[in-house]
Amino acid sequence: GDSVTQMEGPVTLSEEAFLTINCTYTATGYPSLFWYVQYPGEGLQLLLKATKADDKGSNKGFEATYRKETTSFHLEKGSVQVSDSAVYFCALGTNAGKSTFGDGTTLTVKP
Amino acid sequence: DAGITQSPRHKVTETGTPVTLRCHQTENHRYMYWYRQDPGHGLRLIHYSYGVKDTDKGEVSDGYSVSRSKTEDFLLTLESATSSQTSVYFCAISESPGTGVRFGYTFGSGTRLTVV
Repeated sequence: GDSVTQMEGPVTLSEEAFLTINCTYTATGYPSLFWYVQYPGEGLQLLLKATKADDKGSNKGFEATYRKETTSFHLEKGSVQVSDSAVYFCALGTNAGKSTFGDGTTLTVKP
Repeated sequence: DAGITQSPRHKVTETGTPVTLRCHQTENHRYMYWYRQDPGHGLRLIHYSYGVKDTDKGEVSDGYSVSRSKTEDFLLTLESATSSQTSVYFCAISESPGTGVRFGYTFGSGTRLTVV
């Protein structure tokens, strides 16, 4: 079945550090890929998405590229801020109407 | 400007009691979903609805039932709560399955349920 594997956390970085959170997936067909962010006490918010191979999703300084050859969708940001502290979820959606979420990676950014 | 609200936000209940969680949307979206979030398991789908009175099971539906009598409301009921149902419950909406899997879902803020 479909699955999403995320880099285990927690991840702790200093402000202005470079961020990478790894995500790989297994799916039949050609899924859409997503990163969601969950701030403390809130629901998940869509951060960025990519719907086909080689697409790059970007938002708020975050970006991720849909790599079909490596079945990956790694999240990156060049310079993190304290306000980026949150839980990040990688997810996929298939044409069959199913969505699968990763376990989430907790990011803490220290000043 | 929240298009989706969940109630209550927090609840503590005793084992064996019935509990109902409510999800209310103002977006007029046809599809609504209930997920639970647990450490090490990410989000898992409990039930979903594709229209008024039309519902189906997700991957972890045992012990849960749902109802949708109006487009805007989707209720999740734990008939007899157990400690294993202690979790954070999220409601999500999408215009269609295709919209959800291609463009993402809109999530509510969650209900933290503790069963003691």
